[in-house]
Amino acid sequence: DGGITQSPKYLFRKEGQNVTLSCEQNLNHDAMYWYRQDPGQGLRLIYYSQIVNDFQKGDIAEGYSVSREKKESFPLTVTSAQKNPTAFYLCASSEGRTPQETQYFGPGTRLLVL
Amino acid sequence: QKEVEQNSGPLSVPEGAIASLNCTYSDRGSQSFFWYRQYSGKSPELIMSIYSNGDQEDGRFTAQLNKASQYVSLLIRDSQPSDSATYLCAVKAGKEYGNKLVFGAGTILRVKS
Repeated sequence: DGGITQSPKYLFRKEGQNVTLSCEQNLNHDAMYWYRQDPGQGLRLIYYSQIVNDFQKGDIAEGYSVSREKKESFPLTVTSAQKNPTAFYLCASSEGRTPQETQYFGPGTRLLVL
Repeated sequence: QKEVEQNSGPLSVPEGAIASLNCTYSDRGSQSFFWYRQYSGKSPELIMSIYSNGDQEDGRFTAQLNKASQYVSLLIRDSQPSDSATYLCAVKAGKEYGNKLVFGAGTILRVKS
């Protein structure tokens, strides 16, 4: 059963704490992406990776970090430097070969601050 | 700053009517255009993609693209209550921007039975 999985579904962060959101795909896609969605807003790109061991900052990378050590995995860490982390976090992937290709989304992780 | 603009709505239509959703974009170099549907609390799912000027139809959905006017639209024929969702327009920036997707804020559609 191919697809993108994200865990956990809900995550609670305490002040000053770093938390890591998991994203795994078995679609053999080269490109992976992290987006943040706030209520009533569109998706904003945090980081993206077009190939293993390489990633680029998106539009709102401050306070976040990523790694891409394996093709199928692209974890996102929300650091204590991110002062307003409450949001819906979406991971996506695509083949990474053509401009026309579709990005497919995982089910998302909702992060809440205690 | 590349922008994608959508009317936030809500757009209310009666069951069986045609729903028309609109989107404008600022980057003239954009080549690929996508419509995603997002139910409340869920992740976006692709409805349509379009790359050339004109219309593209898939079942009850028709995407329309006018690059000269920088305008993309989505028509939903025979609207059903199950079509009630937020519709996100997404535009892929040119290759020089890493083929990134830029999303509009979405239009809320409500289909009344």
